[in-house]
Amino acid sequence: TQTVSQSDAHVTVFEGDSVELRCNYSYGGSIYLSWYIQHHGHGLQFLLKYYSGNPVVQGVNGFEAEFSKSDSSFHLRKASVHWSDSAVYFCAVRVGGSALGRLHFGAGTQLIVIP
Amino acid sequence: GPKVLQIPSHQIIDMGQMVTLNCDPVSNHLYFYWYKQILGQQMEFLVNFYNGKVMEKSKLFKDQFSVERPDGSYFTLKIQPTALEDSAVYFCASSLAGQNTEVFFGKGTRLTVV
Repeated sequence: TQTVSQSDAHVTVFEGDSVELRCNYSYGGSIYLSWYIQHHGHGLQFLLKYYSGNPVVQGVNGFEAEFSKSDSSFHLRKASVHWSDSAVYFCAVRVGGSALGRLHFGAGTQLIVIP
Repeated sequence: GPKVLQIPSHQIIDMGQMVTLNCDPVSNHLYFYWYKQILGQQMEFLVNFYNGKVMEKSKLFKDQFSVERPDGSYFTLKIQPTALEDSAVYFCASSLAGQNTEVFFGKGTRLTVV
């Protein structure tokens, strides 16, 4: 079964802490990986993506993610979180080989940042 | 940045009635999608649409669902008839082309079937 796994349903940190949100996938072949953020009551906002090249990609608002083929992972990190980073974060995989490849989402990780 | 607009933001409808959800995708995008998110759960793919045709659909895209984009106007999702289990937030998305292009999402339409 092909899956996108976000092992932590909730992560709670204090403002200024670093954070890592985990994402593992089980798809083979060429894939396109991305992270989205969803604030309560809003739609998805794109954070960053990886398809090829440098495995560490930078996104908006100080987020970065690192692709690891050996670990089948694409973890999201931020060095110093702000209370406004509190939201649900979704990892998504788009399978290659077709321009119509749909996004497969993980279950999401709710990040709670305590001021 | 580019925006996908969804109208309305909320819709309450009686079970068995028809509902049409409207989406105004990013203007130069060619691929359109609908996703469904039940409260507190993950986003689930429904359908993608390109060049006037449904190219791929999931098991969630029941026979009561249909999509169209007549003459480059709104990209619509129609549910006829609606059922209680159709209550969810429906997100429209669009992308320019290709597998390594960003997919832009709208803010969603919260559908409540009563």
